[in-house]
Amino acid sequence: GDQVEQSPSALSLHEGTGSALRCNFTTTMRAVQWFRKNSRGSLINLFYLASGTKENGRLKSAFDSKERYSTLHIRDAQLEDSGTYFCAAERTNTGKLTFGDGTVLTVKP
Amino acid sequence: EAAVTQSPRNKVAVTGGKVTLSCNQTNNHNNMYWYRQDTGHGLRLIHYSYGAGSTEKGDIPDGYKASRPSQENFSLILELATPSQTSVYFCASGTGDTLYFGAGTRLSVL
Repeated sequence: GDQVEQSPSALSLHEGTGSALRCNFTTTMRAVQWFRKNSRGSLINLFYLASGTKENGRLKSAFDSKERYSTLHIRDAQLEDSGTYFCAAERTNTGKLTFGDGTVLTVKP
Repeated sequence: EAAVTQSPRNKVAVTGGKVTLSCNQTNNHNNMYWYRQDTGHGLRLIHYSYGAGSTEKGDIPDGYKASRPSQENFSLILELATPSQTSVYFCASGTGDTLYFGAGTRLSVL
């Protein structure tokens, strides 16, 4: 079946620094979503992209359907950014998402 | 803001017992989904629905049934719960553009 390979599985950042998460897809996807699971266990929508890039505050995401990948960039990381980040992609317009295994982000003082 | 409410938030069940997880959405979304998430893994789709009266099998439907009696409500049913079904279950509703998730139900089957 469709696979989403997310990396890294864990990431540790100091406050004020930044990094990128990446998802590679084994097949052409029509859209990607990024979520963050917070300390209370809730899944928060970050981005939905069918192409190109989107930016929201300190987060920026890109999706290249042809090259089969998506990235999530975090800059100026803050303590409250800690959590597990998931990418999820859909191949068809059914809303059925295939999730990556997640990246556990820890932001340290 | 889209609202998806799951109940219960936590459940302990015995092996062989019946468990029903409930989900309610006030967004008037046609599509609803049930996922499970296990530690170290992404969410996996169990069942989904395109509207009242419809249920479809997802990627891992074995051992689960679903019921969509109305636009607002979508239930996940474990007729004979097993310890392998211990997990966190997420319900979601959505349009074609994005999904809105409930806060999750933590199920432990002993």
